[in-house]
Amino acid sequence: QSVLTQPPSASGTPGQRVSISCSGSPSNIERTYVYWYQQLPGTAPKLLIYRNNQRPSGVPDRFSGSKSGTSASLAISGLRSEDEGDYYCAGWDDTLRGWVFGGGTKLTVL
Amino acid sequence: QVQLVQSGSELKKPGASVKVSCKTSGYIFRNFAIVWVRQAPGQGLEWLGWINTDTGNSMYAQDFAGRLVFSLDTSVGAAVLQLSSLTAEDTAVYYCARGIMEVARDFYYYLDVWGTGTTVTVSS
Repeated sequence: QSVLTQPPSASGTPGQRVSISCSGSPSNIERTYVYWYQQLPGTAPKLLIYRNNQRPSGVPDRFSGSKSGTSASLAISGLRSEDEGDYYCAGWDDTLRGWVFGGGTKLTVL
Repeated sequence: QVQLVQSGSELKKPGASVKVSCKTSGYIFRNFAIVWVRQAPGQGLEWLGWINTDTGNSMYAQDFAGRLVFSLDTSVGAAVLQLSSLTAEDTAVYYCARGIMEVARDFYYYLDVWGTGTTVTVSS
């Protein structure tokens, strides 16, 4: 049972916009930053979004993050087949004093 | 470019210990922490802890206290994870990642660039 809650799956067709939600609590999402990681099949996770809505160098602006209260979301616009993979939200929990992750959302591009 | 290359797959028996190494390149080793995470087969991500590469201080996830030790070989820019008293539940891919300090209400390191991963299988 993950501390952060994500839908297990999401899907869209090429060019569409999809959104993945992440629900937490006051001790994690509300009080600290949210991070998003992309894990393509057979590869290590990659940082996609940090500090709620910041993109590391090299991450396309098709990916965007937002946060409100105890929830966060990742939006992917102009969906591409190479976006297919698993997406994880994560954050620091200052009550547990540890990193917590969502269970992951498997994105399928139809 | 920044790279973290991990050691090869390991097959261990229950009760044994395992060491996983993480060799870094492309940046100043002491300027960033090393964070460790694992992923059991078909499962999500689980944080194990971190080590400050400048001071050598470590923080461990509560579930692993006493079984987990992080260490450094600063001469070659590498970090090592050692996990003891292995059980089948420790079967997972173990990742190291470069950690960037964040100071909010608390301080922590977030995971920036990830390593290549090391598969550890525990089976009799």
